[in-house]
Amino acid sequence: AQTVTQSQPEMSVQEAETVTLSCTYDTSENNYYLFWYKQPPSRQMILVIRQEAYKQQNATENRFSVNFQKAAKSFSLKISDSQLGDTAMYFCAFMKHGNTGTASKLTFGTGTRLQVTL
Amino acid sequence: DSGVTQTPKHLITATGQRVTLRCSPRSGDLSVYWYQQSLDQGLQFLIQYYNGEERAKGNILERFSAQQFPDLHSELNLSSLELGDSALYFCASSPTGRGGSGGARDTQYFGPGTRLTVL
Repeated sequence: AQTVTQSQPEMSVQEAETVTLSCTYDTSENNYYLFWYKQPPSRQMILVIRQEAYKQQNATENRFSVNFQKAAKSFSLKISDSQLGDTAMYFCAFMKHGNTGTASKLTFGTGTRLQVTL
Repeated sequence: DSGVTQTPKHLITATGQRVTLRCSPRSGDLSVYWYQQSLDQGLQFLIQYYNGEERAKGNILERFSAQQFPDLHSELNLSSLELGDSALYFCASSPTGRGGSGGARDTQYFGPGTRLTVL
């Protein structure tokens, strides 16, 4: 079974600054995906970024980037130029790679609550 | 807006009752997943359907059941409700099985959730 660990329950960052959220995972799988989802106060789950384990290049989406260290089983999220709208709970999630039509459940960490302040 | 819709947004009911939560996946997505988010258990996978067939089960209670209909919408039925069933229930969908490549094919997009309160 896979496990995902987010060791920072809460973090705070000032507007325009950079913050890094940590995530580690445990798996015996070689092919998998990792995700960061954001849950703002509205409680909607919003995809932030995705990383395929077979890709060595770290994924980037605008102000969001990841540092994926496969050997260390580490997957951190860096938010640059933080904005008030980034205030949310952030969940790290693991998914086994599946063949067409096969099950691919998400296993979530416990989340990191990020507060962006003025 | 993810394109996944869920109804109702809120549901308040009493212990022992039965409720049905409804989910419509993104247009063309064949896979539907149900998750439960509670304060003590976090986000937990319940069940997955692919093109009308059950594909995987997670920590789903026997009092809970689900199905996916020919038009691909899905319903989650919760019966003999207990106080501990109060939670946010999410539906997600993915293009898995429609073709495409790797992560894009398997990425799950979430609906807004149904908040269930059992009194």
